[in-house]
Formats: sequence, C-alpha cells, structure tokens
Amino acid sequence: DQQVKQNSPSLSVQEGRISILNCDYTNSMFDYFLWYKKYPAEGPTFLISISSIKDKNEDGRFTVFLNKSAKHLSLHIVPSQPGDSAVYFCAASKTGANSKLTFGKGITLSVRP
Amino acid sequence: KAGVTQTPRYLIKTRGQQVTLSCSPISGHRSVSWYQQTPGQGLQFLFEYFSETQRNKGNFPGRFSGRQFSNSRSEMNVSTLELGDSALYLCASSLDHSGANVLTFGAGSRLTVL
Repeated sequence: DQQVKQNSPSLSVQEGRISILNCDYTNSMFDYFLWYKKYPAEGPTFLISISSIKDKNEDGRFTVFLNKSAKHLSLHIVPSQPGDSAVYFCAASKTGANSKLTFGKGITLSVRP
Repeated sequence: KAGVTQTPRYLIKTRGQQVTLSCSPISGHRSVSWYQQTPGQGLQFLFEYFSETQRNKGNFPGRFSGRQFSNSRSEMNVSTLELGDSALYLCASSLDHSGANVLTFGAGSRLTVL
C-alpha cells in the first residue's frame, strides 16, 4: 500500500523555467511533509518541509505547497538550474513518538541548459 | 560536525551468504533508521532504533535484522541473501524518534548479490 505517491517518474524542464513536482498521500494522519533531493552515489539530502498547519513554506528558490483537503503537495523550483537535476523524494509522517517517515518512489528532474 | 557514516560503501555477496552493514550517526543523534532503495520502489522503511530499542519496523522478512549500541551506532544484518536483496541500503539519523524530525542520511551501502 503506497501511502505516498509520486505518479510522474520523470520531469524535464528548461533552465530558468519553473519546475513543479507533485506528490499525493492517502493517510489523513500525516501532518508533516518533507522533500529530499538525491544525487547519484550520495544519500538523500533534506530540502524543505511543511507542517499541516501551514499551506505554504518558502526557502529561496524552493516553495512547497500543501493542500490538505486534496491530500496533495507540490514542490516549486524557480528558477530551475542545471544543478537541480536529481531525484526528488516526497516524504510524510505523523508527529509523535515512534513515527516513521514514509517516502514516495521519487521523481527524476532533468534541467536542460 | 561529521555526517552519518556508513560502511562498507560497496560490497558483493553471493546468494545464501549473510551481510552486516554499519552506521555511525551524527554526534548527539539518538535515533537511527534504515531504508532500502531499489529502482522503481523508492525508499522502503526497514526499521528504526532509539536508545538501543527497535521502535518501528517495516514490512521486510525476518532475514533483515538490526541493532543499536549504547553509543547510538547501529548495524543491520541480512541473512540468507537473495538476488532481490541487491539494493542501496541507507541509514539516517535524527535527534529523537518523533515524526517531526528531519532525517540526515548517509551515502549508503551498495549491496550486490550474485
């Protein structure tokens, strides 16, 4: 049962344009959401997070939007840069003890120069 | 501040063998989680340890086991290896075991089973 879904396996964007990466979740108990970026031969690195009490969180070129009613979140990267080319994982959890982080399958983003 | 260290980085085993992977968390982090990454499956949760106790377990067979030591270092073991166990095994640490923590990952141990 895939509780966090990233339905598009890949995305290609021109440098300078906006990249929009989507993520859906099924567990309504999730209240904390994160995005991780992964380069080949490296572990995932934390990018940005959002709590369910907010609907938007921004950090530089990265903005995460949360739509709780639709159980949907998205990551916007503006402007996209070739160095952003990586695999992006959406993850979700419930706050509280003994709660695990559940990841989606990832989206491969390619930013064309 | 040193990051999460995983050893070995690469290893090759044959079916039926067993393997032990090691993880040293960030200093001060007491929770260690393990994930398996395979192509097309993303990161699958294996287990989490906090204060030497397994706090959470994913849907993996009993061949997969782990432990945590008093210094928070962790090991995971896979016995009777199968071809399908070939994967990148990622360890991540966090301050505690609440769901609102950001996990910091190591570079992973790439296991190939022949």
